Amino acid sequence: DVKVTQSSRYLVKRTGEKVFLECVQDMDHENMFWYRQDPGLGLRLIYFSYDVKMKEKGDIPEGYSVSREKKERFSLILESASTNQTSMYLCASSFIPPGPANHNEQFFGPGTRLTVL
Amino acid sequence: QKEVEQDPGPLSVPEGAIVSLNCTYSNSAFQYFMWYRQYSRKGPELLMYTYSSGNKEDGRFTAQVDKSSKYISLFIRDSQPSDSATYLCAMRVNNAGNMLTFGGGTRLMVKP
Repeated sequence: DVKVTQSSRYLVKRTGEKVFLECVQDMDHENMFWYRQDPGLGLRLIYFSYDVKMKEKGDIPEGYSVSREKKERFSLILESASTNQTSMYLCASSFIPPGPANHNEQFFGPGTRLTVL
Repeated sequence: QKEVEQDPGPLSVPEGAIVSLNCTYSNSAFQYFMWYRQYSRKGPELLMYTYSSGNKEDGRFTAQVDKSSKYISLFIRDSQPSDSATYLCAMRVNNAGNMLTFGGGTRLMVKP
């Protein structure tokens, strides 16, 4: 059974704190993603990684950084948390299909609800 | 204007009703169309996907794509309380790696 786990379900931090969100997948997937989910805005991609030590900016990378030192682990870092980063953060992973014609399912973790006070 | 638009709901229906969930999009290059279901306090899970235009049926669920109108639908027949969830459409262009563009999600409540 595929599994993506996230380090915390709920997190409360103060403005200015450095925040680490961890994601681990056990499916040997090459691709990993970080999204944030806000009401009415759906899922917005923050960063993704297609290989160890590789990263690409998504739609809303400002205020975030990522780290992928091992294939199974993808970390999201908020260097200095702000109240507008209060959100649900979702991690996902997928494999690279052998060809382009593939819907390529993304598997999601349960999410981390972060509140920045 | 967002690239993918979806009515946020909530949509409340009685058990047994036929449910229609819809998304419109603006990027004509989208080729893969997916529906994810997200239960409360859980991550989204892939429910169905279709490639290009046409219909796809899986049990009580039917996914429909009309590329000429840039409109996709998910129909749920004989809806059950266990179908209560948020439904997110997602789509991607071909040869775009794994980048998905999501709609905002529609919250569905099926009342017994």
